[in-house]
Parts: sequence; C-alpha cells; structure tokens
Amino acid sequence: GQQVMQIPQYQHVQEGEDFTTYCNSSTTLSNIQWYKQRPGGHPVFLIQLVKSGEVKKQKRLTFQFGEAKKNSSLHITATQTTDVGTYFCAGRSGAGSYQLTFGKGTKLSVIP
Amino acid sequence: DTEVTQTPKHLVMGMTNKKSLKCEQHMGHRAMYWYKQKAKKPPELMFVYSYEKLSINESVPSRFSPECPNSSLLNLHLHALQPEDSALYLCASSVPYNSPLHFGNGTRLTVT
Repeated sequence: GQQVMQIPQYQHVQEGEDFTTYCNSSTTLSNIQWYKQRPGGHPVFLIQLVKSGEVKKQKRLTFQFGEAKKNSSLHITATQTTDVGTYFCAGRSGAGSYQLTFGKGTKLSVIP
Repeated sequence: DTEVTQTPKHLVMGMTNKKSLKCEQHMGHRAMYWYKQKAKKPPELMFVYSYEKLSINESVPSRFSPECPNSSLLNLHLHALQPEDSALYLCASSVPYNSPLHFGNGTRLTVT
C-alpha cells in the first residue's frame, strides 16, 4: 500500500532558527496536505498542494510539492515559540479518494 | 475553536461498558470521518461516511460501530473495548473528495 515517509521525527531549534520537514511518498500523489497539531490539541489544516512543482507561502511558512508529485516539504523561517507542535503531511493517491495517508509527523520544539 | 464538535471530551469506561462518542458539524460537509490517534502517532483512519453512507471501513473490529443519523451527525458506538483501544478519537468532516479535513477537538478515551 501507499506509504508516506516523513523526516525528521523530532527537531529542536533555537528561536529564530529555520526549520524544515520533508515527506516522501512511495507512489505519485494527486495532492498533499499539511496539518499542525499543537500539544494536547487536534490536527489543524494548513495547506493543500495539487500541482507539480507548486510552491505556496503563508507568512513564514513555505510549502513545496515536488515535480514528480512524490515529495513535499514545509519550511519555517525564523521559528517562534508559537510554531511548537507536530507537523504532519498527508498524501492522497487517488483523485476521488477519501484515503489520506499521514506521515509519522515531525515534532518541533523551539527553545526561547 | 473548531466547527466540528465532539462529545464527550474525556471518557473512562470499563471493558464491559457500552458508550457512544458523538460528533456534529454544521458546515454542510457531506463526508465525515472517524480517526484514532495513539500518543506520538499520526491519525489512523477508521471509517468514512459519504452522503450518510458508509464508504470506508478500515478493517476496524466490530466492537466499534459507526452510525451517521444525518448529514450533520456522526456517532461511534463502543462495546467490549480493550485497554489497547485507549486513544484520542478524532472526528473530521470535509467537502467530499480532495478537500481539507476539519477535525474536532477529539474524545480522549481510557479503557480500564
């Protein structure tokens, strides 16, 4: 079945440093979504990428979808303590599918 | 705050109990989901309802029984659970196909 690998599992950064998490799928994806889950909270949708090579920005967050639609990344510039949480990518292989395969997540800790 | 409301927030039940988890959304979404999330793991899909019909059952044990009484409500009936079923149970909704998931706050279930 489809697998989505996400690295790193954990990342500790000093406040102000940059952070990147990467996802790789074993199959071509129709789209990929990113979610953030704060400690004790629930996953919150951040963004969806659909097109090959797509790049989207949300303030300090930059999301990329690979040309082959098998990999994606989330980059945070100048991290803040409010960025703490676990970031999950979730890939969908079929265009009309309800199946989202979540990566294992990257837990981000920001040291003030 | 979330537009998907789950009750109760916490539930402790014995292995012989019968209980139900409830989920409600008023966003007009026609797809509703149950996910299970263990600590430090990604959400794991259990069931999907599309237009009030069960669309996906991810080989979930029969001690979990979903129900979708109408397009706004989703229940998960629990019976004879095991301690390993203790987890955060997340309800989500979406516009059908290829769209972001809106998660509720979850029910934290402990089976004793």
